Amino acid sequence: RKEVEQDPGPFNVPEGATVAFNCTYSNSASQSFFWYRQDCRKEPKLLMSVYSSGNEDGRFTAQLNRASQYISLLIRDSKLSDSATYLCVFTMKTSYDKVIFGPGTSLSVIP
Amino acid sequence: DAGVIQSPRHEVTEMGQEVTLRCKPISGHDYLFWYRQTMMRGLELLIYFNNNVPIDDSGMPEDRFSAKMPNASFSTLKIQPSEPRDSAVYFCASSPHTGADDTIYFGEGSWLTVV
Repeated sequence: RKEVEQDPGPFNVPEGATVAFNCTYSNSASQSFFWYRQDCRKEPKLLMSVYSSGNEDGRFTAQLNRASQYISLLIRDSKLSDSATYLCVFTMKTSYDKVIFGPGTSLSVIP
Repeated sequence: DAGVIQSPRHEVTEMGQEVTLRCKPISGHDYLFWYRQTMMRGLELLIYFNNNVPIDDSGMPEDRFSAKMPNASFSTLKIQPSEPRDSAVYFCASSPHTGADDTIYFGEGSWLTVV
């Protein structure tokens, strides 16, 4: 099983739609979880951290399910500007932290 | 505030030439990462440093790749000799990796084309 798996998409959704992405990870020792956003031809940037209790930032909601080893990202009321690739990220607690990026899910919000 | 600074932003070179990519991390960040991104393979971790010490270089493709971090404010990734399959975007990133902030901050990338 791969360390981290994401549905690559692309997800093509109309403006105003709600869309959800999942990301599964294989190593139960994973420590911290994040969602990053990467626009075309740009660098990845932190979108939000993912906390065990779940967290919300405006139209974005992130959740963590340790038992099933996945994280999710829900985007409500999609905007054209949400079009990007969304990468799930987690860190491993070994002697030193190691950061693992998922392959990303592509989202296109259509007018 | 200055972010992670990479140079060159774009480079086109001929196969067999040496390529040196440079990175200045955010001041105060103890972790520095080198990533490579291609359409086929996504974002791959090549190597990372903690306090200037290389911790994990298992992602470095082969002996043609080497990375150094002589001090806390500078790192290089060198490819010698370069090959067309090395064409990719190379990102440098840094992180304070404290309990309060584990964010990875990326530079804008070095776009490498080997012809």
